[in-house]
Amino acid sequence: SQQGEEDPQALSIQEGENATMNCSYKTSINNLQWYRQNSGRGLVHLILIRSNEREKHSGRLRVTLDTSKKSSSLLITASRAADTASYFCATDATIQGAQKLVFGQGTRLTINP
Amino acid sequence: EPEVTQTPSHQVTQMGQEVILRCVPISNHLYFYWYRQILGQKVEFLVSFYNNEISEKSEIFDDQFSVERPDGSNFTLKIRSTKLEDSAMYFCASTGTGGLGNTIYFGEGSWLTVV
Repeated sequence: SQQGEEDPQALSIQEGENATMNCSYKTSINNLQWYRQNSGRGLVHLILIRSNEREKHSGRLRVTLDTSKKSSSLLITASRAADTASYFCATDATIQGAQKLVFGQGTRLTINP
Repeated sequence: EPEVTQTPSHQVTQMGQEVILRCVPISNHLYFYWYRQILGQKVEFLVSFYNNEISEKSEIFDDQFSVERPDGSNFTLKIRSTKLEDSAMYFCASTGTGGLGNTIYFGEGSWLTVV
């Protein structure tokens, strides 16, 4: 198994509904970051949550981190068509110096109008 | 908002040719990175760069790859002799400081197609 596995691999919901994506990882981490990627485009940073934090919010996004279960979730509330994208979690175990993110396979989210 | 910029956005090259991908990291950042994403696969770490030298490189980053910061603003990835399996999206990234959980900002990527 690999670090940073998202679940589900694909999710299709109606506009206005909430979308929840999960990420599991294997080793101890320093922080976990969520990114969005529109098809064929770059990685847009959404939220960073540190290992000593349990929950963070940013607008319609809510991220939780459970280090005892080695898992994180990303909740998008009141989804919009523009939220259609792939979402990746990326873990970082760096203590000092250059960081190194380990990405999951991603969840492909489709918001149906 | 400051951003990482990459050129070219898309490049098609023949197998065996040299390719240079260019990046302008965010201006006050100190750590620079290259990642790549083969179509349909995970984003993979290639190399990190700090203080004009490589900090860490992955197994993918073999002798055909090199990085350089030729001046105060650009950060380049060179692939000396491209192979078909080098076809991928290459992302440049940067962060202000290292360690303890800093946001890593990515560029839009450079699509490399090797034919």
